[in-house]
Amino acid sequence: GENVEQHPSTLSVQEGDSAVIKCTYSDSASNYFPWYKQELGKGPQLIIDIRSNVGEKKDQRIAVTLNKTAKHFSLHITETQPEDSAVYFCAASKGSGGSYIPTFGRGTSLIVHP
Amino acid sequence: DTAVSQTPKYLVTQMGNDKSIKCEQNLGHDTMYWYKQDSKKFLKIMFSYNNKELIINETVPNRFSPKSPDKAHLNLHINSLELGDSAVYFCASSQAREDTQYFGPGTRLTVL
Repeated sequence: GENVEQHPSTLSVQEGDSAVIKCTYSDSASNYFPWYKQELGKGPQLIIDIRSNVGEKKDQRIAVTLNKTAKHFSLHITETQPEDSAVYFCAASKGSGGSYIPTFGRGTSLIVHP
Repeated sequence: DTAVSQTPKYLVTQMGNDKSIKCEQNLGHDTMYWYKQDSKKFLKIMFSYNNKELIINETVPNRFSPKSPDKAHLNLHINSLELGDSAVYFCASSQAREDTQYFGPGTRLTVL
C-alpha cells in the first residue's frame, strides 16, 4: 500500500519567516495530494491540494509543489503569522470519486512565534 | 449551518460497553468516511462509504461497524470497547466525483 513520510514533525519559526513542510510518497500511481490544517480541538481543514498533472499551485501565502519523478511534494507558507500555528497533514491517494482512500503523513506541528 | 456535525463531542465509557457516534452532513455529498486519530495525532482512515460501496480498512477490528440510515448520515457503532479504542474519531464527507473531504469537529472517546 501507499506510504507517506512527512518532515519535520515539529517546526518553529518567527512571525514573518517562511515555513516548508515536505512529504514523500511510495506509490507512483498516486495522483491527488491534499494538505490539511488542524487547529487545536478541531477537525482537519483542506487548505490547498494539487493533482499529478500540475507541478505547482499557489493560493495567496500558501503554495504546494509536486515532483512526480522524485515522488515528493512540499507545502510552502510565506510571511507566517501566529494564526498559522497548527498541525499540518499531507496526504496522497489515487483514483477519483468516492472510493478514494487517502494515506496521511504523521503531521507537522507548526509554531509561529510573534 | 454546520457542514459536518458529530455527536457527542466527548464520550467516556467503561471497557466492554457498546457505544455509537453519530455523524450528519448537510453538503449533499454522496460519500462519507470515518477516521481515527490517536494520541500522537496520526490520522488513519477506517471506512469509506457511499450508497454503492463500503470500503473497509483491513486493519480495523470487526467490533467497529458503520451504519448509514440515509445518504446524509453515517454512524459508527463500536462493540466491546477496549482501552486501545480511546482516540478522537472524525467523520468526513466528499462529493462522489471530487476528492476534497470535509471533516467534522471530532468525538473524543475515552475508555476506562
